[in-house]
Amino acid sequence: DADVTQTPRNRITKTGKRIMLECSQTKGHDRMYWYRQDPGLGLRLIYYSFDVKDINKGEISDGYSVSRQAQAKFSLSLESAIPNQTALYFCATSDGDRESAFFGQGTRLTVV
Amino acid sequence: SQKIEQNSEALNIQEGKTATLTCNYTNYSPAYLQWYRQDPGRGPVFLLLIRENEKEKRKERLKVTFDTTLKQSLFHITASQPADSATYLCALYNFNKFYFGSGTKLNVKP
Repeated sequence: DADVTQTPRNRITKTGKRIMLECSQTKGHDRMYWYRQDPGLGLRLIYYSFDVKDINKGEISDGYSVSRQAQAKFSLSLESAIPNQTALYFCATSDGDRESAFFGQGTRLTVV
Repeated sequence: SQKIEQNSEALNIQEGKTATLTCNYTNYSPAYLQWYRQDPGRGPVFLLLIRENEKEKRKERLKVTFDTTLKQSLFHITASQPADSATYLCALYNFNKFYFGSGTKLNVKP
C-alpha cells in the first residue's frame, strides 16, 4: 500500500462545481502539503499544514481551501472550479525541517 | 521569493555515458538542496539530499555537488541506463517550505 494516497486519481468536472481532493498518509508525518503541477511551471505550493491546528497559504492559494481533519488526512477543495485549475495535483508529507518530501500518486483534474 | 532554474530542454545521451543536470537558484541560500525523480503521471520520488556545508554527496551511480557561492547544484548519473530516463527535479527547503524547479527531462538511448 502507498504511504501517501490520493483520491480520486482522475476527475473531470464542470466549471462552477465544487470538488474535493483527498489525501491520507500512513507515514506518521506532521507536515502535509498540496501542490499543483503544470507543464513548464513545475510544482507550485497551494497550502501546507504543520499539524491539525495549523494551516498556511502557499504561493497560489486563491480559489482553493483546505481542511486538516486529522494528522493523517489533508483535503483540498475547489469551491467553484474554473478551467485554469486544470492541472495535476499532488499531496506530499514530510517529517521535520531537514527531511525530504514524500508524494502521493497525484490527481489529474480537468475542469471543462 | 525563492526562484529555481533548471534547463527546460531535454537532455539526450547515449547509454553508458554520464548525464549532468544543472540547478541554479536565486535569492536565499538554502540549508539544503534535494533532487527528485519523476516518471510520467507519477509523483516525484526523493533521491538525494545535500547540506550547505557539504560539497559533494554520492549514492551508487548518483553524485550531487552543491556550490553556495555559485548558487548551483550539479546532479550526475554515471553509466546511465535507459531506465534512468525520467524528469529530474531540484528542490530547496527554505522558510518551512519546499521550492521545486520545473525539472529537466533526461532521455537515455540504448
